[in-house]
Amino acid sequence: DAGVIQSPRHEVTEMGQEVTLRCKPISGHNSLFWYRQTMMRGLELLIYFNNNVPIDDSGMPEDRFSAKMPNASFSTLKIQPSEPRDSAVYFCASGVDSGANVLTFGAGSRLTVL
Amino acid sequence: SQQGEEDPQALSIQEGENATMNCSYKTSINNLQWYRQNSGRGLVHLILIRSNEREKHSGRLRVTLDTSKKSSSLLITASRAADTASYFCAAGSGGSYIPTFGRGTSLIVHP
Repeated sequence: DAGVIQSPRHEVTEMGQEVTLRCKPISGHNSLFWYRQTMMRGLELLIYFNNNVPIDDSGMPEDRFSAKMPNASFSTLKIQPSEPRDSAVYFCASGVDSGANVLTFGAGSRLTVL
Repeated sequence: SQQGEEDPQALSIQEGENATMNCSYKTSINNLQWYRQNSGRGLVHLILIRSNEREKHSGRLRVTLDTSKKSSSLLITASRAADTASYFCAAGSGGSYIPTFGRGTSLIVHP
């Protein structure tokens, strides 16, 4: 397996633009997480899917953020409109929720909003 | 789920020395995990210890869990420069385990 695949690896955009981050989890994993990492706030959980269903989105900062998982092999995190404070590294991770989600992380998408 | 808090925030040692970092949590757990993050990379799972275990080993890693003190420690023996990374813990409880992380311990191993 190629692991968790995220794209793009780097994105530079201007304030107000729409940003879409993509994730392909490991085949067979039934849980998927989106995290955001910054120096100020550390690693924050944004949203958690189980069997493609959003279970906990309490970490999503505001309505500008949305996440979807249309099928077991694909998820997106969208920011619209983007703001400079959204600049961060966004990680997708997948696991098997069998009482202990051991996660495999993607390489991350580094977002810079100018 | 709940967040683990790691300490110290930063640790600097010489190659060959042992490195110990700690994790504290607030409520009862089912298990606790440790992860490593190399600069610019995603987190990598190191080890999981269940609430009914007190100690677990994996290569040069030793993890202990003290549920009475709600704390865990990660010991890296005979450290190497390649161990330079940030280390995170995630404590899990409840039916659906949702790993949430603290700020991590930044370990620098000088060659």
